[in-house]
Amino acid sequence: SYVLTQPPSVSVAPGKTARITCGGNNIGSKSVHWYQQKPGQAPVLVIYFDSDRPSGIPERFSGSTSGNTATLTISRVEAGDEADYFCQVWDSGSDHHYVFGTGTKVTVL
Amino acid sequence: EVQLVESGGGLVKPGGSLRLSCAASGFTFTNAWMSWVRQAPGKGLEWVGRIKSKIDGGTTDFAVPVKGRFIISRDDSKNMLYLQMNSLKIEDTALYYCTTAPISPAYFDLWGRGTLVTVSS
Repeated sequence: SYVLTQPPSVSVAPGKTARITCGGNNIGSKSVHWYQQKPGQAPVLVIYFDSDRPSGIPERFSGSTSGNTATLTISRVEAGDEADYFCQVWDSGSDHHYVFGTGTKVTVL
Repeated sequence: EVQLVESGGGLVKPGGSLRLSCAASGFTFTNAWMSWVRQAPGKGLEWVGRIKSKIDGGTTDFAVPVKGRFIISRDDSKNMLYLQMNSLKIEDTALYYCTTAPISPAYFDLWGRGTLVTVSS
């Protein structure tokens, strides 16, 4: 089965930049989407199709893909960015269909 | 208002059945591919299954752990989505989200608050 691997945790000081990676075999050939989930809340889409931002998502959130790794970058981190972040791909040609990453807990120091 | 509201969760014994419902509003439900995603306590997100719009065939697909046990259906006249869960296992315990993306089937930009299913003896 297709696996998306994320670091379990990332810590960052306010005002600095957080980078969350998502590794998967040949992930560069797929579109990657990212979600933010705060405790007790449903996930929120923050990046779609690798680097597009939905309306209402701050420009501080950006996405990129290179080789076997996709990256979500949060610039000028704020306390309110503390959350779990999940990557996701749609593998329409397989039984796996939608695959989520293992998730990364971002802690703002 | 654009929203999804799940209901039907509860406590059920292993081997039992449960039907979840999801009421959709504020978007063209008929055209949307609808999915169920679950999250076990303290764990990550897991896609459960999806039903396409009727215009795209109305077919369903499921994740391997639930294939053959779960059924997804929709009632476009009522803007309702359903998840029939049979032969439930302890590992099916999770918060079940109804989700979709009205514009693209590739991601999910509209989520409900979820309904909790607990499978325990």
